[in-house]
Amino acid sequence: AQTVTQSQPEMSVQEAETVTLSCTYDTSESDYYLFWYKQPPSRQMILVIRQEAYKQQNATENRFSVNFQKAAKSFSLKISDSQLGDAAMYFCAYRSANTGNQFYFGTGTSLTVIP
Amino acid sequence: NAGVTQTPKFQVLKTGQSMTLQCAQDMNHEYMSWYRQDPGMGLRLIHYSVGAGITDQGEVPNGYNVSRSTTEDFPLRLLSAAPSQTSVYFCASSPPIGRIANYGYTFGSGTRLTVV
Repeated sequence: AQTVTQSQPEMSVQEAETVTLSCTYDTSESDYYLFWYKQPPSRQMILVIRQEAYKQQNATENRFSVNFQKAAKSFSLKISDSQLGDAAMYFCAYRSANTGNQFYFGTGTSLTVIP
Repeated sequence: NAGVTQTPKFQVLKTGQSMTLQCAQDMNHEYMSWYRQDPGMGLRLIHYSVGAGITDQGEVPNGYNVSRSTTEDFPLRLLSAAPSQTSVYFCASSPPIGRIANYGYTFGSGTRLTVV
C-alpha cells in the first residue's frame, strides 16, 4: 500500500509571512493524484489544492501553491501571505489511478498563525 | 445544496450498544468511504465502496459493518460499541478518476462519537 508521510506535526507562521508544509509519499505507480486538505476547528474537511502526477506544472490556487517533485516523491504546500483563517490541520493525500482509486492520507500538520 | 450529508453530528453510546451512522450523497458519486480520525493518527479507512452492491474493508474494519444498497447511501453500523471506537467519523464520496475533472473527496461534516 502507498504511504504518505507528513513529518511536521506542528508548524507556526507569523501573519502575512510564508510557510511551507512538507509531504512525501511512497509509491511504485506512475499515474496518481495528490491533494492538500484543510481542516479548521469546525472539523469540516476542505479541499485546498490538487495536482495530477502527469502534469509537470505546479498547481496554484490564489495564495496556495505546491512544489511537486515527482522523482523525489515530494509534494509540499506553500501558503503565502498567511492569514489568521489559515490556522488549521492540513492533510496531504494520495489517490491511486489504479488499485481501486483508493485514497491515502498523511497524519496531518497543525498550523498556527501568530498575529 | 449538493454534498455529503452525515448524521448525527454527535452521539454518546454505552459500551455494548449498537448504532448506525448515516451517510448520503446527491452527486451520483460511485466511490464512498468511511474514515475515523484520532489524534496523531490522521484519517484511517474503515470501509469503502466503489458502487452499489460492492463494499470492501479498509485499514481498521473490525467492529464495523457497511452496506451499499443504493448509489446515494452508505451507512456505517457499529455492532457492539467499545470505548476504543470513541472517535470522529467522516464519510466521503468521490467520482472515479476519469469521469469528471473534480475527483477529490467531498467530505461530510463528521460525527463525534463517544463510547462510555
